[in-house]
Amino acid sequence: NAGVMQNPRHLVRRRGQEARLRCSPMKGHSHVYWYRQLPEEGLKFMVYLQKENIIDESGMPKERFSAEFPKEGPSILRIQQVVRGDSAAYFCASSPPLWTGRTTEAFFGQGTRLTVV
Amino acid sequence: KNQVEQSPQSLIILEGKNCTLQCNYTVSPFSNLRWYKQDTGRGPVSLTIMTFSENTKSNGRYTATLDADTKQSSLHITASQLSDSASYICVVSATGTASKLTFGTGTRLQVTL
Repeated sequence: NAGVMQNPRHLVRRRGQEARLRCSPMKGHSHVYWYRQLPEEGLKFMVYLQKENIIDESGMPKERFSAEFPKEGPSILRIQQVVRGDSAAYFCASSPPLWTGRTTEAFFGQGTRLTVV
Repeated sequence: KNQVEQSPQSLIILEGKNCTLQCNYTVSPFSNLRWYKQDTGRGPVSLTIMTFSENTKSNGRYTATLDADTKQSSLHITASQLSDSASYICVVSATGTASKLTFGTGTRLQVTL
């Protein structure tokens, strides 16, 4: 059972380009979370998705950022017209359905390091 | 505002020594507290998870404690090894918001010879 897979591991974009970050959750996990980690800072929640639904996007910037988790395929975090301040590590985590009755555990991917030049 | 504060910010110890990392939180209503280990350039990996009723939990050489009254937790590492060098992150979840974990900024531990 592979862990949470994120790709690419490293992504370089010029200012104004689009960045697409992919996350494939662990098998059997239907919940995906995206976090951003700026240098020297803790992880900050961005968005929580289930298949085909955005459950909580309260941590997402209002402009240029969007996320989806389609019925088939990985979850995508899309950043349009990137700026230097978007440079960060973006981590995806997945968890099993919350109705398992257990304290849910989230498993993290290795992250995508976005550098905007 | 939910917050998690960790201390010290960084720590250097000799291989074989013990150390204790601290975590104070103001997350409410409390659901659970987790300690993660994050190696440089990698994603966080869970060490322990504790709910309100648990005071201590061990995972090998790692022992976490929780005092829900004072809203404090500690992570004790016994007989440290070079591979323990990493950031240790305290993460607290509030009830009903399993989607939103409040992360501390971590303690950077360096174990040296």
